[in-house]
Amino acid sequence: GQNIDQPTEMTATEGAIVQINCTYQTSGFNGLFWYQQHAGEAPTFLSYNVLDGLEEKGRFSSFLSRSKGYSYLLLKELQMKDSASYLCAVRSGGSYIPTFGRGTSLIVHP
Amino acid sequence: EAQVTQNPRYLITVTGKKLTVTCSQNMNHEYMSWYRQDPGLGLRQIYYSMNVEVTDKGDVPEGYKVSRKEKRNFPLILESPSPNQTSLYFCASRTQTGGRTEAFFGQGTRLTVV
Repeated sequence: GQNIDQPTEMTATEGAIVQINCTYQTSGFNGLFWYQQHAGEAPTFLSYNVLDGLEEKGRFSSFLSRSKGYSYLLLKELQMKDSASYLCAVRSGGSYIPTFGRGTSLIVHP
Repeated sequence: EAQVTQNPRYLITVTGKKLTVTCSQNMNHEYMSWYRQDPGLGLRQIYYSMNVEVTDKGDVPEGYKVSRKEKRNFPLILESPSPNQTSLYFCASRTQTGGRTEAFFGQGTRLTVV
């Protein structure tokens, strides 16, 4: 099985930077996803990390360390619309379908 | 437009009355799956399918059935729904083509069983 852990809730100020961490324990790691989900809506894809290191995509960056079983999502220049749940998901053991963590609810305030 | 379509979006039903939630994708994806999402528990996988006529149980399959007779469709069947199956359901599909392996989600089906 897999164990994926991320904080339940975080708050941040508009314009600031926030880092959302995700730790995982799994065998046969294949890759790690980050999704954004606004309340009542479908998750939307943000990033997919397979190799160690930082991948930057506009205001969002994702980091992976496979040896530590650790990833983070970095959001810069926060906007009110970034208030959402951020889901970490891991693909492992040859499965093509990821397993999701419980998500981190991010609240951005003025 | 590439999309995953679920129907219905909202459904209220009574205990024991069989229902089917449909899922269709137009991207020729091999892999499809069903998740349920509950407060504090996140997205939990119910069933998945790696291709036509190939299905397997996820983490919470009890009380559900699926079928994959065509590549584009992956219906979720509740033979005898119970109140603990009240949840938000998502269908997702993905392909293994190239390095981009994101999953595309349907818009969700909010099911209430009374």
